[in-house]
Amino acid sequence: KNQVEQSPQSLIILEGKNCTLQCNYTVSPFSNLRWYKQDTGRGPVSLTIMTFSENTKSNGRYTATLDADTKQSSLHITASQLSDSASYICVVSKGSQGNLIFGKGTKLSVKP
Amino acid sequence: EAGVVQSPRYKIIEKKQPVAFWCNPISGHNTLYWYRQNLGQGPELLIRYENEEAVDDSQLPKDRFSAERLKGVDSTLKIQPAELGDSAVYLCASSLGLAGAYEQYFGPGTRLTVT
Repeated sequence: KNQVEQSPQSLIILEGKNCTLQCNYTVSPFSNLRWYKQDTGRGPVSLTIMTFSENTKSNGRYTATLDADTKQSSLHITASQLSDSASYICVVSKGSQGNLIFGKGTKLSVKP
Repeated sequence: EAGVVQSPRYKIIEKKQPVAFWCNPISGHNTLYWYRQNLGQGPELLIRYENEEAVDDSQLPKDRFSAERLKGVDSTLKIQPAELGDSAVYLCASSLGLAGAYEQYFGPGTRLTVT
């Protein structure tokens, strides 16, 4: 069954601290993996897209890693800011048609 | 450049009433998606359009949901009659082509509350 599992479900950190969010998937065949940020009341916004051959990609303070062998990805946030409070959704694209399989997201709260 | 536009942003209706959502994708984007997102969950695809053709509507509850994309530009999603379980955020997204190869852009969503 094609699934995307994210952990933790929710996370609270202090401003300025780093954190890492996890994503495990069983989607096959794999096309690419994306991380989205979704602010409350807004639509998801893409942070990174990684194909099979890429094992790391950065977007400012966000760094995503991909291990295609173990089917795991992580999103590392450096020096967190209050504006990082949001849900982070891992999405895997399946096959040539690019059907997107969404995880349930990790809700991050950054406290002052 | 304007992003994906959706209206209304919020809608409260009583069960058994009809409701419609409207989406205008980014100019030039051939592929349009409607998703439903329940609280604490990721978006779930309802229907995907390539231009004006619905190419994936396998997850659309066809007994009460309908969608159209006339002229291959803007789109309307309708629910008739609405049920309590339809309360959710309805997201529209668009991309130049298949989402697997192209970036997908989401609108702000319509939050539907059925009472």
